[in-house]
Amino acid sequence: GAVVSQHPSWVICKSGTSVKIECRSLDFQATTMFWYRQFPKQSLMLMATSNEGSKATYEQGVEKDKFLINHASLTLSTLTVTSAHPEDSSFYICSAAGGNYGYTFGSGTRLTVV
Amino acid sequence: QKEVEQNSGPLSVPEGAIASLNCTYSDRGSQSFFWYRQYSGKSPELIMFIYSNGDKEDGRFTAQLNKASQYVSLLIRDSQPSDSATYLCASPKGTNSKLTFGKGITLSVRP
Repeated sequence: GAVVSQHPSWVICKSGTSVKIECRSLDFQATTMFWYRQFPKQSLMLMATSNEGSKATYEQGVEKDKFLINHASLTLSTLTVTSAHPEDSSFYICSAAGGNYGYTFGSGTRLTVV
Repeated sequence: QKEVEQNSGPLSVPEGAIASLNCTYSDRGSQSFFWYRQYSGKSPELIMFIYSNGDKEDGRFTAQLNKASQYVSLLIRDSQPSDSATYLCASPKGTNSKLTFGKGITLSVRP
């Protein structure tokens, strides 16, 4: 199968601090990874697309200096929320492309900024 | 017109019934389609994907693709309360390209 491990599952941080979320493809090489954000009762919103070894492509309206994405290897991508504020509280989900099933989602990270 | 549309919903069916979820798309060049199920507070999980015209069956689920009419559907037979979730239809523009999602259909299966 295709498994994507995402952690942490949930995190609470203080306003102004940074939080790093990791996404790993465990049994396949993810040529491309996607990061989404989802607010309660709303649709998935794509934040950025990252390819291994190159800069991420951000969707319109997403601050690239605030949401730092690193895709250093074919199995690992990270999203760092810098200087987090309460409005950044959301459900962050990664997805990896390249496995046998097209696109596989991580289990998500619930971020709460207090 | 959005590239992938799911206009119907929410949908409520009794337990044991067939649930029919529909999705239309505007780009005739779209080659592949994915159906995801998302429970509240969880991330999407893949139910089925389909590339070819016709039907594809997997257990209680059947995906149907009609490229001439530009629609893709998901049938759930013998619906169970555990099938209650939001179902997302998605299609990429190319291999490993970003997925375009429909807004989702919320299915409720009544015991």
